[in-house]
Amino acid sequence: EVRLVESGGGLVQPGGSLSLSCVGSGFTFSNYYMGWVRQAPGKGLEWVGRITHKADTYGTLFAASLRGRFTISRDDSKSSVYLQMNGLKSEDTGVYYCAAESWYRFIDWGQGTLVSVSS
Amino acid sequence: QSALTQPPSASGSPGQSVTISCTGSSSDVGRYKYVSWYQHHPGKAPKLIIYDVTERPSGVPDRFSGSKSGNTASLTVSGLQVDDEADYYCYSFADSNQYIFGTGTKVTVL
Repeated sequence: EVRLVESGGGLVQPGGSLSLSCVGSGFTFSNYYMGWVRQAPGKGLEWVGRITHKADTYGTLFAASLRGRFTISRDDSKSSVYLQMNGLKSEDTGVYYCAAESWYRFIDWGQGTLVSVSS
Repeated sequence: QSALTQPPSASGSPGQSVTISCTGSSSDVGRYKYVSWYQHHPGKAPKLIIYDVTERPSGVPDRFSGSKSGNTASLTVSGLQVDDEADYYCYSFADSNQYIFGTGTKVTVL
């Protein structure tokens, strides 16, 4: 069974930083692109970004509005992907999901972790 | 880039069909075949139900079908069941290596 489990969410002050982790199991993690998607309270899903697998040189892409504040990395030896968020704003509040991506679609998702940005 | 446009809500009685539209532009839905749809029960992980406009992952009932015409993609849920009550999102690859979700549609089974 495929499992993706996010962690690291919590309360952070505006301007602060937070690092989210996602551990995958039940599939060959290293073969997949990994992405992050978020959902603000009462809003829809929003694509955050993704990282390719080693064969595509661990390239990263981000939503244009987030570029420069967020970074994504991965450690295939730990079947983990990370989202580093800096300069957090109140509008970054929401549930953050990690997902395994294959050919432009997310094939499996985690349950999400909640990030709250507030003073 | 702005979110793809979906109707906020759709509804039908059990056994009926509902169709959800997803309108983009010639820079996303209209240009690429990489449109997928996700079912999201609040509090749970979203689930892929359609990819590449019309394809169904294994395990997804054939009650779910997708199509596209011009800049608008559509998801049809036939033979509505109580468990189909959820939020549905379209998702498309777009120019400049971006990805865009739709605004989401809440489907209610009456």
